[in-house]
Amino acid sequence: GAVVSQHPSRVICKSGTSVKIECRSLDFQATTMFWYRQFPKQSLMLMATSNEGSKATYEQGVEKDKFLINHASLTLSTLTVTSAHPEDSSFYICSARLLGGGPNTGELFFGEGSRLTVL
Amino acid sequence: GEDVEQSLFLSVREGDSSVINCTYTDSSSTYLYWYKQEPGAGLQLLTYIFSNMDMKQDQRLTVLLNKKDKHLSLRIADTQTGDSAIYFCAEIPNTGGFKTIFGAGTRLFVKA
Repeated sequence: GAVVSQHPSRVICKSGTSVKIECRSLDFQATTMFWYRQFPKQSLMLMATSNEGSKATYEQGVEKDKFLINHASLTLSTLTVTSAHPEDSSFYICSARLLGGGPNTGELFFGEGSRLTVL
Repeated sequence: GEDVEQSLFLSVREGDSSVINCTYTDSSSTYLYWYKQEPGAGLQLLTYIFSNMDMKQDQRLTVLLNKKDKHLSLRIADTQTGDSAIYFCAEIPNTGGFKTIFGAGTRLFVKA
């Protein structure tokens, strides 16, 4: 099946610094990737839809300047948490959908997640 | 609007069957899904059902779909401790930009 890889899996940073999380589709091309945030014991919150070669589409309430998304190639999307604060500590997960080349069931392939802790 | 609802917790004994229930509001989805999330990991698709089907069986998993009541269930037979995880019900309404709508997730505890 399709593989999506996230890096880093864990990151600890000081308040005020910026952190970049990468999401790669390893064996397929993804024109669209999705970024989610998950708080402990809570569901996924869709933050934004990352579109290759164009601006990301952010969900209501998500700060565009705080969470910068870049989708420069068909296999890589990055999420940068700028000037991170302790309240940004969370589990961030990306996903991509496989299109073409077989039955399109709409299945999402998820990265392993990145746990961010801001001190 | 689009909404998917699930109960938050389920506890079963090892060897028993688990039934996780889900209700959804948008009936336009072509497929409905069950994803599994193990601790500290991303989600993986467990199974899915085409909206024109009533039932799908895949080894220990049985998915039942009641379109009239907009109710989806996942039955895990002979539940094992390794099945302990969070199970998310999801759909992709044919409106709203092809976004996947997830339920809140049901945390399954399997007692040995």
